[in-house]
Amino acid sequence: EIVMTQSPATLSVSPGERATLSCRASQSVSSNLAWYQQKPGQAPRLLIYGASTRATGIPARFSGSGSETEFTLTISSLQSEDFAVYYCQHYNNWPAFGQGTRLEIK
Amino acid sequence: QVQLVQSGAEVKKPGSSVKVSCEASGGTFSSYAFSWVRQAPGQGLEWVGGIIPMVGSAIYAQKFQGGVSITADESTNTVYLYLSSLRSNDTAMFYCAVGDGYNDFWGQGTLVTVSS
Repeated sequence: EIVMTQSPATLSVSPGERATLSCRASQSVSSNLAWYQQKPGQAPRLLIYGASTRATGIPARFSGSGSETEFTLTISSLQSEDFAVYYCQHYNNWPAFGQGTRLEIK
Repeated sequence: QVQLVQSGAEVKKPGSSVKVSCEASGGTFSSYAFSWVRQAPGQGLEWVGGIIPMVGSAIYAQKFQGGVSITADESTNTVYLYLSSLRSNDTAMFYCAVGDGYNDFWGQGTLVTVSS
């Protein structure tokens, strides 16, 4: 079973600044890595799949990178609507989510 | 564009069981990879298991094996999650989702509350 670990647990960033979220897999997942955004009371929304491909309708300020075991989600210039919880998920055989990173306003 | 509509909230007694449904529209039901995801109150997302209707057999996360069952009915484009022997710590929101491994589309969620 592959374990996904996200860091930090909470990230405080000011609007307009860059946010960098990390996700580590306990073994290689190739590029089978997705990122989701979840706001209170809502279902998660797919942001990135294939480690770096933006899903339909996702703004260009969201970008993903990495492969094998180390992955990063970068939000280049934070907008008010970006403050939420972010999850990574591998889908290399049995999927699993990371524990999430809460992105809060500084 | 796939739409997923889940059944309504449930309140169950400890020891009972519940079946949550997820009806899909707007795509080719049989070939999609459906997942069920659990989210306990204030907690993160957990993959419960999944099924591809044309394949038929479901797979489950190790944590949930033995306590859940996932099935699909191609005649109604509906996927089901069956939870048995419910306990209070099974209280959670359950989401169905669909995609090619990752989850493009999500249902609105079904809250299952287990309380005596």
